Amino acid sequence: NAGVMQNPRHLVRRRGQEARLRCSPMKGHSHVYWYRQLPEEGLKFMVYLQKENIIDESGMPKERFSAEFPKEGPSILRIQQVVRGDSAAYFCASRTGTGELFFGEGSRLTVL
Amino acid sequence: QQQVKQSPQSLIVQKGGISIINCAYENTAFDYFPWYQQFPGKGPALLIAIRPDVSEKKEGRFTISFNKSAKQFSLHIMDSQPGDSATYFCAASTKTDSWGKFQFGAGTQVVVTP
Repeated sequence: NAGVMQNPRHLVRRRGQEARLRCSPMKGHSHVYWYRQLPEEGLKFMVYLQKENIIDESGMPKERFSAEFPKEGPSILRIQQVVRGDSAAYFCASRTGTGELFFGEGSRLTVL
Repeated sequence: QQQVKQSPQSLIVQKGGISIINCAYENTAFDYFPWYQQFPGKGPALLIAIRPDVSEKKEGRFTISFNKSAKQFSLHIMDSQPGDSATYFCAASTKTDSWGKFQFGAGTQVVVTP
């Protein structure tokens, strides 16, 4: 059973470009979370999704950030018009209804 | 605003020694306290967790101590090994938050010397 798969593992963007981060949850997991980890800091909750629904986006910046988890395919975290402050590691995690949360290995975004 | 405050920021311990990491919180609605272990370049992995109805939980060399009145909890790593060198995060969540929505501490980098 493959773990939570994230890609790309590393992404470099120039200011103003768009970044798309993908997450395939573990098989059988329908709950997906996105967390952001800034250097020397802990993880910060961004958004919680179930298939086709955003359940809790209280941690998402109001502008430029969006997330989706379509019926088919991976969950996508999209950052438009990236700025240097968006440079971070973005972690996806998934779980079953009441199960343990499993994290992926993260996508590291660098904005030049 | 950090809802869970973790200390120390880093820790060096000799092989065989005890590593102790402390966390404090203010929100009395927190009712689940996991600890995560993260190796460089990897995602966090659940190590051990506790609920406030018990004061201590032990799994192998890892023990959580919980003090509800002081709103503090700590991780003890007994007989520390070089393979334990990693960053450790405490976290907390409430009943009303979705399961999996955690407030994380800032992390403690543990280095175990041979």
